[in-house]
Amino acid sequence: SYEVTQPPSVSVSPGQTARITCSGDALPKQYGHWYQQKPGQAPVLVIYKDNERPSGIPERFSGSSSGTTVTLTISGVQAEDEADYYCQSADSSGSVVFGGGTKLTVL
Amino acid sequence: QVQLVQSGAEVKKPGASVKISCKASAYTFTNYYMHWVRQAPGQGLEWMGIINPTGGGTSYVQKLQGRVNMTSDTSTSTVYMELSSLTYEDTAVYYCARDYGEGGSYFFDPWGQGTLVTVSS
Repeated sequence: SYEVTQPPSVSVSPGQTARITCSGDALPKQYGHWYQQKPGQAPVLVIYKDNERPSGIPERFSGSSSGTTVTLTISGVQAEDEADYYCQSADSSGSVVFGGGTKLTVL
Repeated sequence: QVQLVQSGAEVKKPGASVKISCKASAYTFTNYYMHWVRQAPGQGLEWMGIINPTGGGTSYVQKLQGRVNMTSDTSTSTVYMELSSLTYEDTAVYYCARDYGEGGSYFFDPWGQGTLVTVSS
């Protein structure tokens, strides 16, 4: 079955740039999407179709894709960005897959 | 704004069934697929399946086939997820999440607030 893989944790100091990667064999053909989840809250879509940002999401959130990897970049990280981030994709049959999640710690 | 409001927390015994509702508002209910995603305590997100509110067509993740049933009621703009033969491993927060685009985009926005299902003897 289709899988996507993320690092379990990323740490960054305030004001620095955080990059969270997501790898999967089908990502060259399928889009990657990203969700932010804070403790006790539902996930929120922050990037879709590799690099599109929904309205209301700060410009410091961006996405990119290269080969089998999609990357979520948070520029000028703020304390409020500390959260779990999940990569998500879907295979050609419409079966959805999530990565295991990456805990972003703002030092 | 688009809103999904789910039913309240449930406590069930092993072997029982649970049925969770998700009421949608502020958009054309029949134009967007709805998904269900669950999250066990301290764990990641797990996609459960999808329902087309128009006609009720569904697709479920293989591991839950035979135990999960998703339905919709267009008169009340509500989708339901019923999970049967509950085990302790089904303890989780269950989310409904609307498909982003009309006709199926297979990513999700917005999400419901979540419903905690606890399986306990």
